[in-house]
Amino acid sequence: DIVLTQSPALAVSLEQRATISCKTSQNVDNYGISYMHWYQQKPGQQPKLLIYEGSNLASGIPARFSGSGSGTDFTLTIDPVEADDIATYYCQQSKDYPYTFGAGTKLELK
Amino acid sequence: EVQLVESGGGLVQPGRSLKLSCVASGFTFSNYGMNWIRQAPGKGLEWVAYISSGSSYIYYAETVKGRFTISRDNAKNTLYLQMTSLRSEDTALYYCARRAGSYQYYFDYWGQGVMVTVSS
Repeated sequence: DIVLTQSPALAVSLEQRATISCKTSQNVDNYGISYMHWYQQKPGQQPKLLIYEGSNLASGIPARFSGSGSGTDFTLTIDPVEADDIATYYCQQSKDYPYTFGAGTKLELK
Repeated sequence: EVQLVESGGGLVQPGRSLKLSCVASGFTFSNYGMNWIRQAPGKGLEWVAYISSGSSYIYYAETVKGRFTISRDNAKNTLYLQMTSLRSEDTALYYCARRAGSYQYYFDYWGQGVMVTVSS
């Protein structure tokens, strides 16, 4: 299985930049597409798709969210961070079954 | 508006069975692959199973293979998860989630989830 590694938590100040990383145990690129996706989950809510295929912004997601990376190293950036962004962020790969998620990074206010 | 509504959860003893349902609306259900994803209390997300739009392709996580069965009824716009030989480690909030498209291997819509508690 492809293992995704995320830092457990990140403390950030409002209006600053947050950078959340996700490293995979295997390359998740194929034919020029990165099969890496990012979700936001707030307490008591279902996850919400933020970024798909490495860098594409999902519908309705503010432009302060962006995704980058390739191969085994990926980053979700939130710039600037707003109060509504306090949540847990998960990366997920769909290169191979079983699809796997990172353990999540909890974004906290400094 | 796309909606996914799960039901069928509850408290069940170890070794028993339970069947979850997910009713879809707001899109052409028969055109989309569907997934079950679960989240144990206070834990992260775990993909459980996938079924293609016409039920031709089915995949399971190793943790549930042989015990869980995913199925769908496109006439009823409903996804199912039959769970047997339940274990305490199956305790989780179970989400159904739509795969975004035939060549889009991510989850663009999620239900609110249904809780399954396995305990004696």
